[in-house]
Amino acid sequence: QSALTQPRSVSGSPGQSVTISCTGTSSDVGFYKYVSWYQQHPGKAPKLMIYDVTKRPSGVPDRFSGSKSGNTASLTISGLQAEDEAAYYCCSYAGSYSLVFGGGTKLTVL
Amino acid sequence: EVQLVESGGGVVRPGGSLRLSCAASGFTFDDHGMTWVRQAPGKGLEWVSGINWNGGSTGYADSVKGRFTISRDNAKNSLYLQMNSLRAEDTALYHCARDGGYDFAFDLWGPGTMVTVSS
Repeated sequence: QSALTQPRSVSGSPGQSVTISCTGTSSDVGFYKYVSWYQQHPGKAPKLMIYDVTKRPSGVPDRFSGSKSGNTASLTISGLQAEDEAAYYCCSYAGSYSLVFGGGTKLTVL
Repeated sequence: EVQLVESGGGVVRPGGSLRLSCAASGFTFDDHGMTWVRQAPGKGLEWVSGINWNGGSTGYADSVKGRFTISRDNAKNSLYLQMNSLRAEDTALYHCARDGGYDFAFDLWGPGTMVTVSS
């Protein structure tokens, strides 16, 4: 159960798009469709943004999208807004009722 | 109101035990799998343990396997985490979270309860 690999930080200007990668293995990200993404503002609980690789829960703006290729999943945020500045975590099912998170990515809106 | 509220955290010496509780309200508790996720101060999220709707399936992170036990009481709308043989590295804010029917994705989180393991 090694943590998924995410970049420590990414940045972008308002209106731009950014993509956050999440690299796992053929035993987690590469094998299962159960990849989710969470947004966490400082001092707050995480918020579910994407599930099942590409799906958005009700209420999440369509500026947020997910994808996967091989062992790497990605979260893309388009039309960047100031309120998107937060930490983002990916999470994958890893079999046998276990999950693994990524180390987290700090998004800075310039 | 739909919510989760954790309790039971505190300061404990290495080797000690704690039992965390998570009280659910505002939704049908036994319709959902549940999980515990922790976050050490200034660090990222770490999945700890999960349980399905009826307790028939459970899972643990390697870091807690054999020391922590997850359980639930659907009659009391409550989730538990029994933590034994605690170590300094277990120090973290512990959140419970609900699987909202999204296939191992969690749509409702509690504010967390802090566990500090220190001599």
